Amino acid sequence: DAGVIQSPRHEVTEMGQEVTLRCKPISGHNSLFWYRQTMMRGLELLIYFNNNVPIDDSGMPEDRFSAKMPNASFSTLKIQPSEPRDSAVYFCANTGRGVGAEAFFGQGTRLTVV
Amino acid sequence: AQTVTQSQPEMSVQEAETVTLSCTYDTSENNYYLFWYKQPPSRQMILVIRQEAYKQQNATENRFSVNFQKAAKSFSLKISDSQLGDTAMYFCAFGRQTGRRALTFGSGTRLQVQP
Repeated sequence: DAGVIQSPRHEVTEMGQEVTLRCKPISGHNSLFWYRQTMMRGLELLIYFNNNVPIDDSGMPEDRFSAKMPNASFSTLKIQPSEPRDSAVYFCANTGRGVGAEAFFGQGTRLTVV
Repeated sequence: AQTVTQSQPEMSVQEAETVTLSCTYDTSENNYYLFWYKQPPSRQMILVIRQEAYKQQNATENRFSVNFQKAAKSFSLKISDSQLGDTAMYFCAFGRQTGRRALTFGSGTRLQVQP
């Protein structure tokens, strides 16, 4: 298995533009998480899906952020409109069905909003 | 809610020596899991070691071992025979056994291994 695959690895966009980050989880791993990493706030959970259903989106900072998981093989995180303070590394992570299973992370997308 | 605290923002160690990174957590749960993740400059998050709270024996993975003190809610990571490749950010994380599966992370410790 290729692991969790995120795209793009780097994204530079102008303030006000729409940004879409993509994640392909590990096949058969039914929990998916989007995290945001910044120097100031560390790793923050944005949203958590289980079996493609959003379970907890309390970490989504504003209505400008939305996430979808239309099927078990794909998830997106969209920011519209983007702002400079959204600049961060965004990680997608995946856990399997086992209790206490570790989280496997993608390589992250470094987003820069100018 | 759970919280994870790493009180050492940065640490430095000489190559081949031993270093211990601290982590404390707060939870009302009795069964849970604890993890240490490593994030090198490549930014990939890599699992280093995992501990089940119901196990009294401390987990060990080659040069990495933990000191798990459940009553004190402490979970430190010991790296023996430090290598240059150990230079990275290290994150302590808490995972619930039931319910919400997302991990809660500490703020991280930046470890620099000096030649």
